Amino acid sequence: DTAVSQTPKYLVTQMGNDKSIKCEQNLGHDTMYWYKQDSKKFLKIMFSYNNKELIINETVPNRFSPKSPDKAHLNLHINSLELGDSAVYFCASSQGTYNSPLHFGNGTRLTVT
Amino acid sequence: QKEVEQNSGPLSVPEGAIASLNCTYSDRGSQSFFWYRQYSGKSPELIMSIYSNGDKEDGRFTAQLNKASQYVSLLIRDSQPSDSATYLCASRGSSASKIIFGSGTRLSIRP
Repeated sequence: DTAVSQTPKYLVTQMGNDKSIKCEQNLGHDTMYWYKQDSKKFLKIMFSYNNKELIINETVPNRFSPKSPDKAHLNLHINSLELGDSAVYFCASSQGTYNSPLHFGNGTRLTVT
Repeated sequence: QKEVEQNSGPLSVPEGAIASLNCTYSDRGSQSFFWYRQYSGKSPELIMSIYSNGDKEDGRFTAQLNKASQYVSLLIRDSQPSDSATYLCASRGSSASKIIFGSGTRLSIRP
């Protein structure tokens, strides 16, 4: 009965490969997010979807493409992986109201070699 | 200027003392503020939310908000070794869909 679940937990791959991370939430929230946490622990927003519609697209390379098939799912596909993509990627969800906090998944640690 | 700023620490506090964590934000339109705790290798977990000026208490934790000074703080009373973690301050800005995080403060409670 995990609230926000993402898979895989670990991803080790070589430069140039393409990989995907999947996220699902069962909290009934209407907004989902992808955050990237670098080695210095800084959490930076990448994308946000509200009811399957992209509403936030920060300055992220085009190699990153989010997809939301429905409001309970948000996936992240990364093309042509680079060393600098190594980080922990967190999926999160919330209601789209001002007082609604984020609920995080357990994170996916991506290592590009 | 970063949108949400925190002192990175580490902040070292003796067990049983009060730990005080501070955060400033730049977006005057920010409406809500959150404190998350993150243990190493784990995901952030919500400790406190605060939306109005003043203090909000929950157990050993007190969040304080001063919108005029654009300042948010978290006090942890009777600090325990299990409180040792990174504390992340976050604000939901004038664009209600976006939650911005500070870089976090590492807190270490020494026995």
